Amino acid sequence: QVQLQESGPGLVKPSETLSLTCTVSGGSITSDYWSWIRQPPGKGLEWIGYISYSGRTNYHPSLKSRVTISEDTSKNQFSLTLTSVTAADTAVYFCARLTIVGPTSDFDFWGQGTLVTVSS
Amino acid sequence: SSDLTQDPAVSVALGQTVRITCQGDSLRSYYASWYQQKPGQAPLLVIYDKNSRPSGIPDRFSGSSSGNTASLTITGAQAEDEADYYCNSRYNNGNHWLFGGGTKLTVL
Repeated sequence: QVQLQESGPGLVKPSETLSLTCTVSGGSITSDYWSWIRQPPGKGLEWIGYISYSGRTNYHPSLKSRVTISEDTSKNQFSLTLTSVTAADTAVYFCARLTIVGPTSDFDFWGQGTLVTVSS
Repeated sequence: SSDLTQDPAVSVALGQTVRITCQGDSLRSYYASWYQQKPGQAPLLVIYDKNSRPSGIPDRFSGSSSGNTASLTITGAQAEDEADYYCNSRYNNGNHWLFGGGTKLTVL
């Protein structure tokens, strides 16, 4: 059973950088795709991006200029960096495994999520 | 449109059948997956590959698709099915993912 756990600061100041790490157990990040997804309070889900088993990244067009997803295969972790944050970036951030097989894809394992608040 | 559109809210009487729909142009090319989210919890995959259920998901959950519409059907809804449900698929370019706005299911 794959398990994911997010970690990082719960409070970030406006204009600063949000950094989160996802630790994966029960599976290897050198397989499949590993994503970040966020959910503002009371709102829906938004896909942020992924890093693939080969280290290739892919980001949501609206966030592409501010987002970086990286990996540390030695620790079986992947990370999210979001620069120049504003209050609109306040959300619960989830990490998840993305499985892609032809026309089908799904986020089959999720972390519990971590709330990041952007406030001075 | 590149969006996935869901009804904001649906209700069903206990033990009855309910269908939650998701519309979007990309669904003509890519299958939808469906997620159940209860308050304070992470989303849970309930349907993938159009109509497959992960281990542990009750068989009262099923999926279907026709044209630009994907559907999640709960046959014999239970009180514990009350939750938000999100569909998910790819954009038409196949390179990015998007979620529907979510449907709040109330079991009466």
